[in-house]
Amino acid sequence: QQQVKQSPQSLIVQKGGISIINCAYENTAFDYFPWYQQFPGKGPALLIAIRPDVSEKKEGRFTISFNKSAKQFSLHIMDSQPGDSATYFCAATKSNDYKLSFGAGTTVTVRA
Amino acid sequence: DAGVIQSPRHEVTEMGQEVTLRCKPISGHNSLFWYRQTMMRGLELLIYFNNNVPIDDSGMPEDRFSAKMPNASFSTLKIQPSEPRDSAVYFCASSFDLNQPQHFGDGTRLSIL
Repeated sequence: QQQVKQSPQSLIVQKGGISIINCAYENTAFDYFPWYQQFPGKGPALLIAIRPDVSEKKEGRFTISFNKSAKQFSLHIMDSQPGDSATYFCAATKSNDYKLSFGAGTTVTVRA
Repeated sequence: DAGVIQSPRHEVTEMGQEVTLRCKPISGHNSLFWYRQTMMRGLELLIYFNNNVPIDDSGMPEDRFSAKMPNASFSTLKIQPSEPRDSAVYFCASSFDLNQPQHFGDGTRLSIL
């Protein structure tokens, strides 16, 4: 049973455009929500993370928006670049559990 | 700085054979995680250790799977006997502590024929 649902499965965006990936969760005990970026042949790498006490976190061109009441969070990639082409995973965990539940992943392709 | 090192990067073997995957965590990291990634099931946590002690192995799919961490700088994941449905990419990750960000290795792509 997948605890974190991620959409879309894939998306294509033009260089300079905005990529938006959405995730939803059911377990209200989750209190840490990281996003990972994975390139082919590589392991996932932590990109940005948020806790539910804030509604938004921005690091460079990457922004997480968090809606606690809706149990949803999303990743926005601003000014998308070809180098951002990768698979992105959202995840969630409880602080006293340490077990990351991953979404199914979104493959982002940025066309030059 | 060296990241998490996994070996081998690729393994192809026949059904029924024993498979051993190896992981060297980042020096100073106290927690180690083993994951499996497949198209059908995505990324799944198999087992994790803290200070070389297994904490939760509820994700280990069957008794054919076993994992050890004999010291702070080495862990193994063993499958015996292996089956075609074990084919996947296996990742090892480590973190400074359980509640710190996990750093992943580049994985072992395992194919069981």
